[in-house]
Amino acid sequence: EPEVTQTPSHQVTQMGQEVILRCVPISNHLYFYWYRQILGQKVEFLVSFYNNEISEKSEIFDDQFSVERPDGSNFTLKIRSTKLEDSAMYFCASSEGGFSGNTIYFGEGSWLTVV
Amino acid sequence: GEDVEQSLFLSVREGDSSVINCTYTDSSSTYLYWYKQEPGAGLQLLTYIFSNMDMKQDQRLTVLLNKKDKHLSLRIADTQTGDSAIYFCAETTYGNKLVFGAGTILRVKS
Repeated sequence: EPEVTQTPSHQVTQMGQEVILRCVPISNHLYFYWYRQILGQKVEFLVSFYNNEISEKSEIFDDQFSVERPDGSNFTLKIRSTKLEDSAMYFCASSEGGFSGNTIYFGEGSWLTVV
Repeated sequence: GEDVEQSLFLSVREGDSSVINCTYTDSSSTYLYWYKQEPGAGLQLLTYIFSNMDMKQDQRLTVLLNKKDKHLSLRIADTQTGDSAIYFCAETTYGNKLVFGAGTILRVKS
């Protein structure tokens, strides 16, 4: 079964450093997403991306965050200057279509620890 | 705003049925989902139901939707130790922005 893959599985970084989390969505999918889960809290939507631009973003997704599809296969989340509160599991996801009912497939997540 | 609530923990014996409950606030929810998360793993989609349906069955899984009460449940028949995981309820109104509950930890005792 096709799957969404994410790297790294775990990253420890110092506060203020830039971090790039990488994702390879399922190959025929057109919509891409990032979600995050702070330890002990709910999974929260960050951003959705389609046709090389952001289609929706949450309040969490401030100027410190950016997303990019640098080539035909990768989808990245960059955090410019990490803060302690950015420590979380970050999930990448993809779907064929952009409307409710299109199955969203999640990757296994990237644990980010900011120290 | 939208909110999804779930009970925190459920413990059952192997072979029994498990029922995990979820309530949501957004009456315009169109699709409701159940995801499973095993330790150290990602979110696995188990099943979903369209808001104009009352019930959906898929092998051992039965989803019941009471749209009037905004209540969703997931029943797992003949629960196995491999079903031990965190189960997340999620809803979406339009597009694919999912709103998740906090998750229910299911513990299956052998």
